[in-house]
Amino acid sequence: EPEVTQTPSHQVTQMGQEVILRCVPISNHLYFYWYRQILGQKVEFLVSFYNNEISEKSEIFDDQFSVERPDGSNFTLKIRSTKLEDSAMYFCASGSTDTQYFGPGTRLTVL
Amino acid sequence: GEDVEQSLFLSVREGDSSVINCTYTDSSSTYLYWYKQEPGAGLQLLTYIFSNMDMKQDQRLTVLLNKKDKHLSLRIADTQTGDSAIYFCAETPHGFNKFYFGSGTKLNVKP
Repeated sequence: EPEVTQTPSHQVTQMGQEVILRCVPISNHLYFYWYRQILGQKVEFLVSFYNNEISEKSEIFDDQFSVERPDGSNFTLKIRSTKLEDSAMYFCASGSTDTQYFGPGTRLTVL
Repeated sequence: GEDVEQSLFLSVREGDSSVINCTYTDSSSTYLYWYKQEPGAGLQLLTYIFSNMDMKQDQRLTVLLNKKDKHLSLRIADTQTGDSAIYFCAETPHGFNKFYFGSGTKLNVKP
Protein backbone atom coordinates (compact mmCIF):
# COMPACT_ATOMS: atom_id res chain seq x y z
CA GLU A 1 0.00 0.00 0.00
CA PRO A 2 1.48 3.39 -0.94
CA GLU A 3 2.47 5.64 1.94
CA VAL A 4 3.87 9.05 2.66
CA THR A 5 7.51 8.97 3.69
CA GLN A 6 9.52 11.60 5.52
CA THR A 7 13.23 12.15 6.11
CA PRO A 8 14.99 12.47 8.42
CA SER A 9 13.07 10.86 11.26
CA HIS A 10 14.92 13.04 13.75
CA GLN A 11 16.78 16.30 13.13
CA VAL A 12 18.81 18.11 15.76
CA THR A 13 19.96 21.63 14.98
CA GLN A 14 21.40 24.67 16.66
CA MET A 15 19.26 27.75 17.12
CA GLY A 16 19.63 30.07 14.16
CA GLN A 17 20.44 27.33 11.67
CA GLU A 18 18.33 26.44 8.64
CA VAL A 19 16.72 23.01 8.27
CA ILE A 20 15.02 21.30 5.36
CA LEU A 21 12.48 18.61 6.09
CA ARG A 22 11.73 16.25 3.25
CA CYS A 23 8.60 14.37 2.28
CA VAL A 24 7.67 12.05 -0.56
CA PRO A 25 3.89 12.17 -0.95
CA ILE A 26 1.78 9.38 -2.41
CA SER A 27 2.35 9.56 -6.14
CA ASN A 28 -1.13 10.25 -7.52
CA HIS A 29 -2.12 12.75 -4.84
CA LEU A 30 -2.69 16.37 -5.72
CA TYR A 31 -2.85 18.08 -2.32
CA PHE A 32 0.12 18.37 0.00
CA TYR A 33 0.29 19.66 3.55
CA TRP A 34 2.64 20.36 6.41
CA TYR A 35 1.54 20.23 10.03
CA ARG A 36 3.38 20.45 13.29
CA GLN A 37 2.69 19.01 16.72
CA ILE A 38 4.46 20.45 19.71
CA LEU A 39 4.89 17.76 22.34
CA GLY A 40 1.58 16.96 24.00
CA GLN A 41 -0.34 19.54 22.01
CA LYS A 42 -2.75 19.73 19.13
CA VAL A 43 -1.80 19.03 15.52
CA GLU A 44 -1.49 22.48 13.92
CA PHE A 45 -1.94 23.23 10.25
CA LEU A 46 0.98 25.07 8.65
CA VAL A 47 0.43 25.13 4.90
CA SER A 48 -1.31 23.44 2.01
CA PHE A 49 0.00 23.17 -1.52
CA TYR A 50 -1.92 22.45 -4.69
CA ASN A 51 -1.11 22.83 -8.36
CA ASN A 52 2.46 23.88 -7.57
CA GLU A 53 1.54 26.75 -5.32
CA ILE A 54 0.51 27.47 -1.77
CA SER A 55 -3.26 27.27 -1.49
CA GLU A 56 -3.52 28.24 2.16
CA LYS A 57 -1.23 28.98 5.08
CA SER A 58 -1.75 29.55 8.76
CA GLU A 59 -0.56 32.47 10.85
CA ILE A 60 2.27 30.22 12.06
CA PHE A 61 3.64 29.96 8.52
CA ASP A 62 5.46 33.27 8.37
CA ASP A 63 8.53 34.36 6.40
CA GLN A 64 10.65 31.93 8.37
CA PHE A 65 9.01 29.05 6.51
CA SER A 66 8.89 28.05 2.87
CA VAL A 67 7.76 25.03 0.89
CA GLU A 68 8.86 23.66 -2.41
CA ARG A 69 8.14 20.78 -4.73
CA PRO A 70 11.51 20.77 -6.47
CA ASP A 71 11.26 17.73 -8.70
CA GLY A 72 7.65 16.55 -8.92
CA SER A 73 8.03 13.90 -6.24
CA ASN A 74 9.59 15.52 -3.17
CA PHE A 75 7.84 18.13 -1.06
CA THR A 76 10.07 20.10 1.29
CA LEU A 77 9.60 22.42 4.25
CA LYS A 78 12.44 24.85 4.89
CA ILE A 79 12.72 26.58 8.25
CA ARG A 80 15.17 29.46 8.27
CA SER A 81 16.90 30.68 11.40
CA THR A 82 15.35 28.09 13.71
CA LYS A 83 14.17 29.07 17.17
CA LEU A 84 13.82 26.97 20.32
CA GLU A 85 10.03 27.07 19.96
CA ASP A 86 10.27 25.43 16.51
CA SER A 87 11.03 22.15 18.29
CA ALA A 88 8.14 19.84 17.37
CA MET A 89 7.07 16.90 15.27
CA TYR A 90 6.52 17.99 11.70
CA PHE A 91 4.10 15.91 9.69
CA CYS A 92 3.72 15.91 5.95
CA ALA A 93 0.43 14.75 4.47
CA SER A 94 -0.88 14.20 1.00
CA GLY A 95 -4.39 13.70 -0.21
CA SER A 96 -6.87 13.28 -2.97
CA THR A 97 -10.26 14.97 -2.92
CA ASP A 98 -11.62 13.37 0.23
CA THR A 99 -8.78 11.78 2.17
CA GLN A 100 -5.48 12.79 3.66
CA TYR A 101 -2.67 10.48 4.64
CA PHE A 102 0.11 11.41 7.02
CA GLY A 103 3.76 10.54 7.02
CA PRO A 104 5.48 9.25 10.16
CA GLY A 105 6.85 12.70 11.00
CA THR A 106 10.22 14.34 11.56
CA ARG A 107 11.08 15.21 15.12
CA LEU A 108 12.90 18.55 15.06
CA THR A 109 14.93 19.47 18.13
CA VAL A 110 16.38 22.97 18.27
CA LEU A 111 19.12 23.43 20.87
CA GLY B 1 -11.98 30.73 13.55
CA GLU B 2 -12.98 27.10 13.33
CA ASP B 3 -12.72 25.11 16.52
CA VAL B 4 -12.73 21.36 17.12
CA GLU B 5 -13.13 20.15 20.69
CA GLN B 6 -12.63 16.76 22.27
CA SER B 7 -12.50 15.46 25.80
CA LEU B 8 -8.94 14.67 26.82
CA PHE B 9 -9.18 11.20 28.33
CA LEU B 10 -11.29 8.05 28.17
CA SER B 11 -10.67 4.85 30.08
CA VAL B 12 -12.48 1.60 29.31
CA ARG B 13 -12.10 -2.09 30.07
CA GLU B 14 -11.08 -4.54 27.38
CA GLY B 15 -14.13 -5.90 25.60
CA ASP B 16 -16.30 -2.87 26.36
CA SER B 17 -17.35 -0.30 23.78
CA SER B 18 -15.59 3.05 23.64
CA VAL B 19 -17.29 6.24 22.50
CA ILE B 20 -15.11 9.22 21.70
CA ASN B 21 -16.89 12.50 21.13
CA CYS B 22 -16.03 15.61 19.15
CA THR B 23 -17.75 18.92 18.55
CA TYR B 24 -16.93 21.43 15.86
CA THR B 25 -18.02 24.92 14.98
CA ASP B 26 -17.58 25.15 11.21
CA SER B 27 -20.97 24.72 9.60
CA SER B 28 -19.34 24.46 6.16
CA SER B 29 -17.46 21.26 7.04
CA THR B 30 -17.60 18.84 4.14
CA TYR B 31 -15.68 15.87 5.51
CA LEU B 32 -14.98 14.80 9.07
CA TYR B 33 -12.25 12.38 10.04
CA TRP B 34 -10.95 10.21 12.81
CA TYR B 35 -7.23 9.61 13.12
CA LYS B 36 -5.35 7.36 15.53
CA GLN B 37 -1.91 8.19 16.89
CA GLU B 38 0.08 5.60 18.78
CA PRO B 39 3.03 6.71 20.94
CA GLY B 40 5.87 8.10 18.85
CA ALA B 41 4.04 7.45 15.59
CA GLY B 42 2.28 9.48 12.94
CA LEU B 43 -1.42 9.87 12.39
CA GLN B 44 -3.23 6.91 10.93
CA LEU B 45 -6.46 7.61 9.08
CA LEU B 46 -9.14 5.39 10.61
CA THR B 47 -12.30 6.50 8.90
CA TYR B 48 -14.11 9.54 7.59
CA ILE B 49 -17.64 10.63 6.86
CA PHE B 50 -19.10 13.03 4.36
CA SER B 51 -21.25 15.74 5.86
CA ASN B 52 -24.43 14.57 4.14
CA MET B 53 -24.26 11.22 5.93
CA ASP B 54 -25.26 10.57 9.52
CA MET B 55 -23.65 7.20 10.08
CA LYS B 56 -20.83 5.11 8.72
CA GLN B 57 -19.79 1.66 9.91
CA ASP B 58 -16.47 0.01 9.21
CA GLN B 59 -15.89 -3.28 11.05
CA ARG B 60 -15.56 -2.36 14.77
CA LEU B 61 -15.81 1.34 14.08
CA THR B 62 -19.05 3.31 13.89
CA VAL B 63 -19.07 7.02 13.14
CA LEU B 64 -22.15 9.07 14.00
CA LEU B 65 -22.63 12.61 12.76
CA ASN B 66 -25.23 15.01 14.11
CA LYS B 67 -24.86 17.92 11.75
CA LYS B 68 -27.49 20.02 13.51
CA ASP B 69 -25.57 19.86 16.80
CA LYS B 70 -22.16 19.73 15.05
CA HIS B 71 -21.33 16.60 16.98
CA LEU B 72 -19.25 13.68 15.75
CA SER B 73 -18.60 10.46 17.61
CA LEU B 74 -16.48 7.36 17.11
CA ARG B 75 -17.64 4.12 18.66
CA ILE B 76 -15.16 1.27 18.94
CA ALA B 77 -16.86 -2.04 19.62
CA ASP B 78 -15.10 -4.76 21.63
CA THR B 79 -12.23 -2.45 22.53
CA GLN B 80 -8.83 -4.13 22.69
CA THR B 81 -5.61 -3.13 24.45
CA GLY B 82 -4.16 -2.43 20.99
CA ASP B 83 -6.73 0.33 20.62
CA SER B 84 -4.96 2.35 23.32
CA ALA B 85 -3.84 5.51 21.56
CA ILE B 86 -4.76 9.14 21.04
CA TYR B 87 -7.72 9.68 18.74
CA PHE B 88 -8.01 12.92 16.80
CA CYS B 89 -11.12 14.31 15.24
CA ALA B 90 -10.55 16.55 12.20
CA GLU B 91 -12.66 18.44 9.73
CA THR B 92 -12.17 20.24 6.47
CA PRO B 93 -14.33 22.88 4.86
CA HIS B 94 -14.98 22.94 1.16
CA GLY B 95 -11.82 22.90 -0.91
CA PHE B 96 -9.55 20.66 1.19
CA ASN B 97 -7.11 23.53 1.65
CA LYS B 98 -6.97 23.20 5.40
CA PHE B 99 -7.77 20.60 8.04
CA TYR B 100 -8.64 21.47 11.61
CA PHE B 101 -7.78 19.02 14.36
CA GLY B 102 -9.08 18.57 17.84
CA SER B 103 -6.62 18.25 20.70
CA GLY B 104 -7.04 14.48 20.81
CA THR B 105 -8.64 12.02 23.22
CA LYS B 106 -6.31 9.61 24.95
CA LEU B 107 -7.99 6.21 25.13
CA ASN B 108 -6.69 3.89 27.81
CA VAL B 109 -7.87 0.28 27.59
CA LYS B 110 -7.47 -1.70 30.80
CA PRO B 111 -7.08 -5.49 30.58
